[in-house]
Amino acid sequence: EDQVTQSPEALRLQEGESSSLNCSYTVSGLRGLFWYRQDPGKGPEFLFTLYSAGEEKEKERLKATLTKKESFLHITAPKPEDSATYLCAVRVPGNTGKLIFGQGTTLQVKP
Amino acid sequence: GAGVSQSPRYKVTKRGQDVALRCDPISGHVSLYWYRQALGQGPEFLTYFNYEAQQDKSGLPNDRFSAERPEGSISTLTIQRTEQRDSAMYRCASSSTPPRLAGGRDTQYFGPGTRLTVL
Repeated sequence: EDQVTQSPEALRLQEGESSSLNCSYTVSGLRGLFWYRQDPGKGPEFLFTLYSAGEEKEKERLKATLTKKESFLHITAPKPEDSATYLCAVRVPGNTGKLIFGQGTTLQVKP
Repeated sequence: GAGVSQSPRYKVTKRGQDVALRCDPISGHVSLYWYRQALGQGPEFLTYFNYEAQQDKSGLPNDRFSAERPEGSISTLTIQRTEQRDSAMYRCASSSTPPRLAGGRDTQYFGPGTRLTVL
């Protein structure tokens, strides 16, 4: 069964304290892994797409990496405005674009 | 440019009533998705449209749920005879390219959602 598990469920950091969020997946034929950011009361906002093991993408203080079994979202020197829920999703095989999401990691960065 | 819009943003209804939720995708986006998101969880796939064709409805929970996109643009998700367990955030997403043509490289952009509460 296709499945996505994110850890930890919640993470509290001090401003400037770097850390990583984990996304483990089991899917029969990965066709893309997606990271989204979700602020309270809003829809998920696209961050990155990764397609093959070894691929890395960066945006400001965020860096996403991908292996054959998991993805990491590294946050370097976070700021309070990075506080949000980060969602990981995988696209399942087929032509419908269906995404399977993890439950998310809620990040709180304190000044 | 405008993003995905959904209406109403909030809907409170009584058990047994029918509700219709609307999604207006990004202009020109051919693919449209409906998801449902419970509190503290990630979105869960409901159905997918390629233009006006509903190509995957495997995530619809039961036959009280239906969706349409008659002109390949605006979509409506209808829930008949609502039950309390239907209470959730319903989200719509759109992408510019059909997945089968994009090789999986299309991005889904999400709307703000409709919060449905069934009393």
